[in-house]
Amino acid sequence: GQQVMQIPQYQHVQEGEDFTTYCNSSTTLSNIQWYKQRPGGHPVFLIQLVKSGEVKKQKRLTFQFGEAKKNSSLHITATQTTDVGTYFCGRPHQAGTALIFGKGTTLSVSS
Amino acid sequence: DAGITQSPRHKVTETGTPVTLRCHQTENHRYMYWYRQDPGHGLRLIHYSYGVKDTDKGEVSDGYSVSRSKTEDFLLTLESATSSQTSVYFCAISGTGATNEKLFFGSGTQLSVL
Repeated sequence: GQQVMQIPQYQHVQEGEDFTTYCNSSTTLSNIQWYKQRPGGHPVFLIQLVKSGEVKKQKRLTFQFGEAKKNSSLHITATQTTDVGTYFCGRPHQAGTALIFGKGTTLSVSS
Repeated sequence: DAGITQSPRHKVTETGTPVTLRCHQTENHRYMYWYRQDPGHGLRLIHYSYGVKDTDKGEVSDGYSVSRSKTEDFLLTLESATSSQTSVYFCAISGTGATNEKLFFGSGTQLSVL
């Protein structure tokens, strides 16, 4: 099916530790997007990856798109309490503009 | 934040009653989407619209209908609400229709069906 598998479902870290979430697809993706949802909030776009092997950085966040364009990862270096939330990856729905999301990874950070 | 307003923000209703949720946007974006969010399931696409009166089904469309009579409004209707439809409903929009385009989400509607 079109589902993207996201692991882990939950992750708890101590502040300052690193964190990684993975998104895997059984089929080749044209692109993948990442969103962050703070507790009680709505999803907010973080980034889009399009090219095979692409790596993009946003401050402490590093996003990668696999060479085969079937998997992606989000890595946070030295987590902070502001990183708390649920991170979703999303792939295109059929040929349209909608996104199909993974189940998300919920990150909690203790100081 | 994008100009997206969802109403109501919270609703409690009884099983078997009809419910309509509204999404209103001021961005003049062509594409609009309804998602539901449930613990353990993430965000699931219910229906989407690619223009006035043009809609299509998503992943979990059973029990839901939608209508879009104006660019700015996208309505989600539960004809006969069931307890399994208790969820947080998010509306989202996108502009030009490019497959790489990001989505902007509204603040959500918490619906409880008792």
